[in-house]
Amino acid sequence: AQSVSQHNHHVILSEAASLELGCNYSYGGTVNLFWYVQYPGQHLQLLLKYFSGDPLVKGIKGFEAEFIKSKFSFNLRKPSVQWSDTAEYFCAVIPMDSSYKLIFGSGTRLLVRP
Amino acid sequence: GAVVSQHPSWVICKSGTSVKIECRSLDFQATTMFWYRQFPKQSLMLMATSNEGSKATYEQGVEKDKFLINHASLTLSTLTVTSAHPEDSSFYICSAEDHEQYFGPGTRLTVT
Repeated sequence: AQSVSQHNHHVILSEAASLELGCNYSYGGTVNLFWYVQYPGQHLQLLLKYFSGDPLVKGIKGFEAEFIKSKFSFNLRKPSVQWSDTAEYFCAVIPMDSSYKLIFGSGTRLLVRP
Repeated sequence: GAVVSQHPSWVICKSGTSVKIECRSLDFQATTMFWYRQFPKQSLMLMATSNEGSKATYEQGVEKDKFLINHASLTLSTLTVTSAHPEDSSFYICSAEDHEQYFGPGTRLTVT
């Protein structure tokens, strides 16, 4: 079945460590790609998105993601995490044949220790 | 930025009763709103697409007679869970579309 996979369900890091969260999708056609963040007690917010062009996308709060078409991946990275990055991160995909329906991964819960 | 609100933020109801959840776009108009359901430790699953002035489009496996959606204005969509059962307990999240989807804070429903 077509899906979005986030392999890391829980990640624990110390402040200043580097972060990479994996995201793979199984749709064969054109896709739009997103990373959302949900801070404790808050709603989902868009971190960054990729529609076309430069496959290295920069988002808010120092996050970036790289689209690698051959690997069907859109991994999220941050060189140096902060305690305030503690949140749940969701990768999402819009297969462009489905009229703007967001398909979410299962999420990765990140805990950054001070 | 665009803000979407949901009311109530949490609700407890008894089995067999109905519960209405509101989703409002506060500073923009949204022709299209979406309703998602999130189970613990799982991803958001799209339940239905709500279109202002027309019938909602439900995803496969979602009972349209159980989850009634009304999108009567460009700033308000409602989801009514009818004859609620404990298995309907979940976190319901809406989003409103304005070039991208903006998400509400969610409503936690507990059916006892």
